[in-house]
Amino acid sequence: SQTIHQWPATLVQPVGSPLSLECTVEGTSNPNLYWYRQAAGRGLQLLFYSVGIGQISSEVPQNLSASRPQDRQFILSSKKLLLSDSGFYLCAWSKKGGSSYNEQFFGPGTRLTVL
Amino acid sequence: AQTVTQSQPEMSVQEAETVTLSCTYDTSESDYYLFWYKQPPSRQMILVIRQEAYKQQNATENRFSVNFQKAAKSFSLKISDSQLGDAAMYFCAYRAPKESGNTPLVFGKGTRLSVIA
Repeated sequence: SQTIHQWPATLVQPVGSPLSLECTVEGTSNPNLYWYRQAAGRGLQLLFYSVGIGQISSEVPQNLSASRPQDRQFILSSKKLLLSDSGFYLCAWSKKGGSSYNEQFFGPGTRLTVL
Repeated sequence: AQTVTQSQPEMSVQEAETVTLSCTYDTSESDYYLFWYKQPPSRQMILVIRQEAYKQQNATENRFSVNFQKAAKSFSLKISDSQLGDAAMYFCAYRAPKESGNTPLVFGKGTRLSVIA
């Protein structure tokens, strides 16, 4: 069965510090990978998605960047955090193939607080 | 661009009663997929139910069912015999298929459901 991991689970960082959040998927290969941010009491905002190694699509101009160095690894980074980067970050994966649901499966999330 | 609208920011239901959460979407596609996700206080996103647009029959999963009205672009979620564990944020989501399946989900803003004992 497939599992998705995120770490860290919780992070408190000062403004201006760098960020690295990691997401890994087990039990599948060549997945689509996604990063979402959820501000307090708000919906999900798609930040990045990737269809393969080194292939990243950015949905919203951000102080953030994403990388996919390995097939099942997706990293969210920032060089200098802003207060507005605080939120709950969710990683998700889905299978490829347009003829099926390709629903997304989510990781447990990372709660980021920027002070 | 596709959009998903959940017009009820908050809903409440008595335990054992039935509640319906609304979702409408805007698309020019004829073939697509719709989903309901649940996010409990743990914040883990859980898939509740899914529907293919070209299937006439409404999807059901135990106490959860949908009312899919393609012409009206409506996809409501009905929860029967509500339980305390159903209390959560519920998100409606849409996906248009492409050959490779590489289209992200479009989410609504969510409906917070409270269950009253």
